[in-house]
Amino acid sequence: GAVVSQHPSRVICKSGTSVKIECRSLDFQATTMFWYRQFPKQSLMLMATSNEGSKATYEQGVEKDKFLINHASLTLSTLTVTSAHPEDSSFYICSARGPGRLVSGANVLTFGAGSRLTVL
Amino acid sequence: AQKITQTQPGMFVQEKEAVTLDCTYDTSDPSYGLFWYKQPSSGEMIFLIYQGSYDQQNATEGRYSLNFQKARKSANLVISASQLGDSAMYFCAMRRIQGAQKLVFGQGTRLTINP
Repeated sequence: GAVVSQHPSRVICKSGTSVKIECRSLDFQATTMFWYRQFPKQSLMLMATSNEGSKATYEQGVEKDKFLINHASLTLSTLTVTSAHPEDSSFYICSARGPGRLVSGANVLTFGAGSRLTVL
Repeated sequence: AQKITQTQPGMFVQEKEAVTLDCTYDTSDPSYGLFWYKQPSSGEMIFLIYQGSYDQQNATEGRYSLNFQKARKSANLVISASQLGDSAMYFCAMRRIQGAQKLVFGQGTRLTINP
């Protein structure tokens, strides 16, 4: 149980185009989803937190208009990188939190497999 | 603000040996949770173990155990009887129990198990 599917796993696009990444919780309802960005050999940096049906909360320094996040249902959140440029090339990974996955009373995040974006 | 520090960029261990991955943290929150995740080269984040700040006993999950020393603000991961498949990046993370529950990650440690 507690599976998160992220698609596409790899995407290559031309500079100036927009790219959409989907994050789906397959077997649970994700009340909250988190989007992270990871540069090579570095840690995960939180970009934004999205709650179903409301606007995403972005971390300081993350451009809202560049990284559009939509969480329209309890099983789907999307990240759209608008007018992508080479500096947006990165590994983007989502995680979902729902009421079901508890370990020692704590709600454990389930991560997607990540999406590697390359902007040419 | 919460901060996680992992001071070991890389660790090399012989197969079947035990290994300790260090993690220290800083927070002003009275209650928090500490997590360890494994990230193989494929990129997925695999949950390993969790420790709550008020838990009296150190957490254990199979070959994984967490050496939690609250006064020192450390939460080291111990892997016993290491296997070749343990080679991966390991991240320590923490979050508040109440309020915004976003995970804050450390820099990670790359563990390599040698045959």
